[in-house]
Formats: sequence, structure tokens, C-alpha cells
Amino acid sequence: LAKTTQPISMDSYEGQEVNITCSHNNIATNDYITWYQQFPSQGPRFIIQGYKTKVTNEVASLFIPADRKSSTLSLPRVSLSDTAVYYCLVGDGSARQLTFGSGTQLTVLP
Amino acid sequence: DTEVTQTPKHLVMGMTNKKSLKCEQHMGHRAMYWYKQKAKKPPELMFVYSYEKLSINESVPSRFSPECPNSSLLNLHLHALQPEDSALYLCASSQGQGAGELFFGEGSRLTVL
Repeated sequence: LAKTTQPISMDSYEGQEVNITCSHNNIATNDYITWYQQFPSQGPRFIIQGYKTKVTNEVASLFIPADRKSSTLSLPRVSLSDTAVYYCLVGDGSARQLTFGSGTQLTVLP
Repeated sequence: DTEVTQTPKHLVMGMTNKKSLKCEQHMGHRAMYWYKQKAKKPPELMFVYSYEKLSINESVPSRFSPECPNSSLLNLHLHALQPEDSALYLCASSQGQGAGELFFGEGSRLTVL
């Protein structure tokens, strides 16, 4: 089981770039890495998914080194509305990919 | 339509009641999920349906009974719950099991008295 480890919390200021790293030392060959954002009393929202190297979409970038034992979610120029819990999930489509880790509480300060 | 709709948004029930949570999606997704989330904890996977068949049951107590009447609907029947079952129940769907993005509903907030 590819267990994930993330920082419990992070603080940032508006306009800064935020990088949240997830460790997944036991990642398997078929595993993908997926990140979700969750606001209080709402369902999680998909941010980005990747397998290797770098993936970028309109809201974030995902950096995955060659050994794939970690990944970094990069949020450019955060705003107060980016204050949320961010979850990293690792898996291959079985129950593992559907299991959330403890998540990182990101607080963006004015 | 990229929504997963859950009803009711809030539910209060006694330990002897029988109630149901409902979830609906019209995205043509063939996998649907139930998660349970306690305050300040991550969502915990309960059940997964793939092509209307139960594919994953994460050792959930039998007082929770899932049902998938068709590919668009997912129910969670509740009976003889305990106060510790109070939580936010989240429904999600995806194109296939574990395939790409999970689309979540807003959740049903359940309180068991």
C-alpha cells in the first residue's frame, strides 16, 4: 500500500507561490498521483493528476521526480480563497487510489 | 452537467430510524462511491460501485446498506445507526473505477441522536 505523507499545515501570504510536497516511498509502477482540494463542509475537488515529470493545468502544476517517490503540488500566486485542505492520493484504480491521506491545511494570509 | 447531487443536505435521525441518502449524476459515469468524513479528518472510503455492481466494501458495518438502482443513482440505506455514525457522507462518481477525476457532491450531513 503506497502510504502518503504530507505536512499537516502550511501558511502562506497572498500572491506567493505555494509548494506542497507529498511523500510516497512505496509507489508502484502502475500508480498515478492525484491531488484534491477541499473546503469546509464541501466535497473534495480534483486539482491535477500525473504519472511522471511535470503536469500543468490552469490552476496548478504537479512536479514528479524520476524516482516518483514524492510529488509537489505548486499553486501559483495564491489568494485567500485558496485556503483549504489539500490531499495527495496515490494508486492504480483500486481502493488504494481512492484512499485519502491526512491532507495539508493551507492557510493563506492577507 | 458536471454535478453530483446529494439529498438530503442535512438529516437528523434516531438510533431506531430507517432513512436513506441519495446521490445522482448525469455525466454517464460508470463508477460511484460513498465516503464518510468526520470533522477535521480525511474522507474514508466506504463503498464503490462499478457498472452498477458493488466492487469494493471497505468492511463497513451492515447498518449501512448501499444500493445502485441504475448507473445514475446511488443510495445509502441507514438503519440502527449509532451516534458515532454522525458525519458528512460524500458521494462521488468517475468515468470508471479509479479512472481520472472523482466528482464529489456537496455531501449529506448526518446527525444520529
